[in-house]
Amino acid sequence: KAGVTQTPRYLIKTRGQQVTLSCSPISGHRSVSWYQQTPGQGLQFLFEYFSETQRNKGNFPGRFSGRQFSNSRSEMNVSTLELGDSALYLCASSLVGFGETQYFGPGTRLLVL
Amino acid sequence: GESVGLHLPTLSVQEGDNSIINCAYSNSASDYFIWYKQESGKGPQFIIDIRSNMDKRQGQRVTVLLNKTVKHLSLQIAATQPGDSAVYFCAENRSVTGANNLFFGTGTRLTVIP
Repeated sequence: KAGVTQTPRYLIKTRGQQVTLSCSPISGHRSVSWYQQTPGQGLQFLFEYFSETQRNKGNFPGRFSGRQFSNSRSEMNVSTLELGDSALYLCASSLVGFGETQYFGPGTRLLVL
Repeated sequence: GESVGLHLPTLSVQEGDNSIINCAYSNSASDYFIWYKQESGKGPQFIIDIRSNMDKRQGQRVTVLLNKTVKHLSLQIAATQPGDSAVYFCAENRSVTGANNLFFGTGTRLTVIP
């Protein structure tokens, strides 16, 4: 089975712009979670989607949003980018979510200038 | 200004020796734990998991020990190899949230000396 894929792998944006990142889960996986990884804060949970519904959300401002499509693919969007949004954004998928192993993609590295 | 990164605990071991990486978790309601390995430029890679109804689980060259009394988790790697050099994270799944999100530790950087 193909693993979790994320596009793009690298992205450079400027402050105030918005960005959309994409994640394709492992085939058959219906739960998709997003994480932000920075040197200062480590790995932090953003949100989780299951069956096109946001099921859980971390402590991030409303500028961070996401959605999931009927084929379980997910996108996350960050509006009005700030310098502090520079990070590695990781997507993870699992079969149905709760209490299961999450498998991570390679991440999208976002640099905000 | 200068940014301050997380101070990652580090562990250096000789190739062939055994490694033990420790992790303390905070929530006694956590019922599922996972160890991940992250190499530079890559996403976290699943190594091994354990549920709270167990205290030990073995995989290939790896063993995870869970001590719920002191909320402590450890990962043992036997016969450590240069390819084991990476940052290792423990993660806990907190059932009280009712959904699937993991809380990660800060990680430990393992360096294997050839």
